[in-house]
Amino acid sequence: GENVEQHPSTLSVQEGDSAVIKCTYSDSASNYFPWYKQELGKRPQLIIDIRSNVGEKKDQRIAVTLNKTAKHFSLHITETQPEDSAVYFCAASPPRAGSYQLTFGKGTKLSVIP
Amino acid sequence: DTEVTQTPKHLVMGMTNKKSLKCEQHMGHRAMYWYKQKAKKPPELMFVYSYEKLSINESVPSRFSPECPNSSLLNLHLHALQPEDSALYLCASSQDLIGFYDEQYFGPGTRLTVT
Repeated sequence: GENVEQHPSTLSVQEGDSAVIKCTYSDSASNYFPWYKQELGKRPQLIIDIRSNVGEKKDQRIAVTLNKTAKHFSLHITETQPEDSAVYFCAASPPRAGSYQLTFGKGTKLSVIP
Repeated sequence: DTEVTQTPKHLVMGMTNKKSLKCEQHMGHRAMYWYKQKAKKPPELMFVYSYEKLSINESVPSRFSPECPNSSLLNLHLHALQPEDSALYLCASSQDLIGFYDEQYFGPGTRLTVT
């Protein structure tokens, strides 16, 4: 089955700096890669996703890059703000008939220091 | 309405009890999921229902029994659980369209404690 590795496990940045979280996956058939943000005591929320037919996607301060050859993808957050503090999970899913089989990375606890 | 609801929010049960977790969505999604999340760990997929049929069972012990009575409801029946089954149980849903991925929406979860 799929195995997703995520680094680092914790990340502290100064407010306004950039944060980068990296993930690798093992199943070359995986073609959908979402990123979730989970605040303490709350549900995971999708912040951005990328499909295998594109190499980069951006949404305001958040961007994701995908390298299918190397089987890794990364989350980039620019101009970080204290409200970005949370646990971030990457995930990968092989193609299915419309439903997911998401395997999550272990998570990165991001702390943005004001 | 872009919301998945779950009841109860918290549940404490003994190892001999039988209880059920409920999940509901009214977004017309045809794929529904159960995840288990232990503290400081990622969600782990347990079951996937697609068009009310069980399509994935990730080798979950039989003391967890899922049920999808209709396209809006998903239940998880619990029986003879162990203390190590204590966790946050998350329900999620997504569109089920061949060749098209849409966002997977998570519910707020049920915090289960097995005593």
